[in-house]
Formats: sequence, C-alpha cells, structure tokens
Amino acid sequence: DTAVSQTPKYLVTQMGNDKSIKCEQNLGHDTMYWYKQDSKKFLKIMFSYNNKELIINETVPNRFSPKSPDKAHLNLHINSLELGDSAVYFCASSQGPFENTEAFFGQGTRLTVV
Amino acid sequence: GDSVTQMEGPVTLSEEAFLTINCTYTATGYPSLFWYVQYPGEGLQLLLKATKADDKGSNKGFEATYRKETTSFHLEKGSVQVSDSAVYFCALRGYQKVTFGTGTKLQVIP
Repeated sequence: DTAVSQTPKYLVTQMGNDKSIKCEQNLGHDTMYWYKQDSKKFLKIMFSYNNKELIINETVPNRFSPKSPDKAHLNLHINSLELGDSAVYFCASSQGPFENTEAFFGQGTRLTVV
Repeated sequence: GDSVTQMEGPVTLSEEAFLTINCTYTATGYPSLFWYVQYPGEGLQLLLKATKADDKGSNKGFEATYRKETTSFHLEKGSVQVSDSAVYFCALRGYQKVTFGTGTKLQVIP
C-alpha cells in the first residue's frame, strides 16, 4: 500500500490552462504539505495544512490554491499556468506539525508547461 | 528561521571510495534531522534520521550523527557503490515544516 500517493505522476499542459494535482495519504496523519522542486533540485515548501486548516503559505502566487476536503487529502489547483510553473511537485504528510514527527513524501508529479 | 547548508556538488568518486557530505543547520527549538536520497527520475526516499543530539542514524551503510555542539549532521559511507549515484538532501524537521538543503549530486564511477 502506498502511504502518500499523488496523481498524476506526469502532467504536460499548455500555458494558460488550469490543472489540479491530487494527493492522498492513508497513514491517518493530521498534517499535509506541498513542496516544489525546481530544475536545480531545490525543494521549497509551498503550503502546509493541519487538520484541514492552512498553517503555512510561503509566498506562493495566488494562482496556486490548495484544497483539503478532509484530513487524508490535499489537492493543489493551479490557474493560468505559466512556463515557470514547470517543476516537480511533492506532497507529504506527518502525524502532526511538530519537530519529532517524520514527514512521508509522495513520488512527485512532474509538471511541464509548454 | 530554520536553514540547512550542505556542500555543493557534484561529487564524483570511484567505487569503494569513502564518502562524506557535509551538512550544517540553523534552527530554533529541537529539530529532528534527516537525509533523503533521490535517484534519477524518482521521488524522495528517507535514507536515515536522528531525532535528538548525539543520535546516530544509519541505513544501507550510510551513517550520520546529530551533533548539537557543531550544529552538523554529516553523511558518511565507508565504501560507495555505483548504485549509490543519486542526489542527497539534508533536511531539518522543525515546527510545521521540513527545510531542505540544496542537495548534493553524487556520481560513483566504476
């Protein structure tokens, strides 16, 4: 069983389109995250949710909107896609937001905007 | 805020050579420390972890010790293999988020 699963794994789309990436965790965790990995492999947090409430929003353009319908899901919707949005997006989850809770990562979604 | 600094790569080693990838951190509170590995075209895999000072994490021949006095968590392996070629990330688990270093690409040649 995959602990943190993301769909799709690959996404190729044209500029200006709107797309969504889905994330589900079956670990019973309360906290979920979205990270962006750029072309230089740098990983940066975008959003964090705890018990479906947004707790971190790291200077992300408002074209990016996370949605957490329940604690097991955190989806990422992106409007008006731009070339610079091309990256690998990782979802993660942890038992809670605290330092002693390990974060488990999904396999990533490679988004390519053409 | 929290930050992680790791040595820049790429690092190229011959098979069976000794590996060290340096990692230092700045944090408030009592973070946990991790090393993640990313093989080409794949996601992030947890390699090892340490949750408090003086803990040693180990896995697959890799080791790292949480040194609070030097704020370091250096990754070591005594004898690398070609299959160890990947990007290695040092990471700090602070309150509400994981902060990553910039990654170090390791290439092991036969």
